[in-house]
Amino acid sequence: GDSVTQMEGPVTLSEEAFLTINCTYTATGYPSLFWYVQYPGEGLQLLLKATKADDKGSNKGFEATYRKETTSFHLEKGSVQVSDSAVYFCALYGNNRLAFGKGNQVVVIP
Amino acid sequence: GAVVSQHPSWVICKSGTSVKIECRSLDFQATTMFWYRQFPKQSLMLMATSNEGSKATYEQGVEKDKFLINHASLTLSTLTVTSAHPEDSSFYICSARDGDRTDTQYFGPGTRLTVL
Repeated sequence: GDSVTQMEGPVTLSEEAFLTINCTYTATGYPSLFWYVQYPGEGLQLLLKATKADDKGSNKGFEATYRKETTSFHLEKGSVQVSDSAVYFCALYGNNRLAFGKGNQVVVIP
Repeated sequence: GAVVSQHPSWVICKSGTSVKIECRSLDFQATTMFWYRQFPKQSLMLMATSNEGSKATYEQGVEKDKFLINHASLTLSTLTVTSAHPEDSSFYICSARDGDRTDTQYFGPGTRLTVL
């Protein structure tokens, strides 16, 4: 079935560093891909999405490009802030539902 | 736009009692709502899919008699945890699908349930 794999472990980095969180997927067809962000004690917020190959989703300085050839949707931000500390989930929409990766906690140190 | 609310945001109850959680789409009509459960530091587990006016579809392993879902209107779905036990303690999150963009779901802020 459809699934999403995120890189293992939390990510700790300094303010203004470059952030990359890897996400790969397995799916039949061409699913829509998403990144959601969850701040402590809160629900999920849609960060960005892409609906077809080579689409780039972007929001708040974050970007991710739908790569069909590598079945990937890696999240990047050029200069993180302390306020970006949160858990980031990659997800795909297939079979009428969202399938989530396990999430990556990002901690940005001042 | 596309705001989903949940009430209550947290609840503590005694073992054996029932708890109702409400999920509302505030500025759009949601023909489909979803209920998830999230354990600490883990991903979201889909419990059930709720369509307005019909019975919910439960995921494998989720007890439908324990987790009662009602989707009575296009803006409201409720999850009732019946005869709650400590192992039901969790973070419950709902989401609603905007009918115009069927692949995008908007999530509520979650409800923290603690069963003593």
